[in-house]
Amino acid sequence: EAQVTQNPRYLITVTGKKLTVTCSQNMNHEYMSWYRQDPGLGLRQIYYSMNVEVTDKGDVPEGYKVSRKEKRNFPLILESPSPNQTSLYFCASSPVGRHPTNEKLFFGSGTQLSVL
Amino acid sequence: AQTVTQSQPEMSVQEAETVTLSCTYDTSESDYYLFWYKQPPSRQMILVIRQEAYKQQNATENRFSVNFQKAAKSFSLKISDSQLGDAAMYFCAYRSLTDSGGSNYKLTFGKGTLLTVNP
Repeated sequence: EAQVTQNPRYLITVTGKKLTVTCSQNMNHEYMSWYRQDPGLGLRQIYYSMNVEVTDKGDVPEGYKVSRKEKRNFPLILESPSPNQTSLYFCASSPVGRHPTNEKLFFGSGTQLSVL
Repeated sequence: AQTVTQSQPEMSVQEAETVTLSCTYDTSESDYYLFWYKQPPSRQMILVIRQEAYKQQNATENRFSVNFQKAAKSFSLKISDSQLGDAAMYFCAYRSLTDSGGSNYKLTFGKGTLLTVNP
């Protein structure tokens, strides 16, 4: 089954303790991206990647890192989490190029992060 | 930069009735996609419907249809014969089709409209 898998679904941590949220897709998509969702703000893009070793900042990249060492994986790293990073996080992927199948993003199930 | 505005934070509808959710957007581009996503309590992001800006015909998916007014930059979602399972947060989203090295794959979302369906 084609899917984007995020882990964990829920995470509670404390300020300053490094954490990684994993994201993996099995559709051989070139493009992957991370969003955060906050009440009253909708979803905002954190980082994106066009392919292996190619990453770039989105609209709200401060406090986050990403890496793309393999095509299927795109982990989100919070090296020193703070309470303002408490949010619902989504990973998403898409093929690249103008093709009917890239007219939508494939979303993971979300990771609810609480930073105390 | 593009912006997407959903002016109705909350809406309610009676089961079997019709409801329209509003969305406006701001862009200087002529080639783009517009989407409506549904987010039920499970938090999953579910694509409801999409519209290509170059198509004049409004998209339809079963009970869901859009009213796309390109000149007015308006993209409303109509849900007919509302069902209890339609209760969710609905997000309007914009995606540029101007090739800009990857940033055009970003979805710009509105703040969402929480739809309640009353039995």
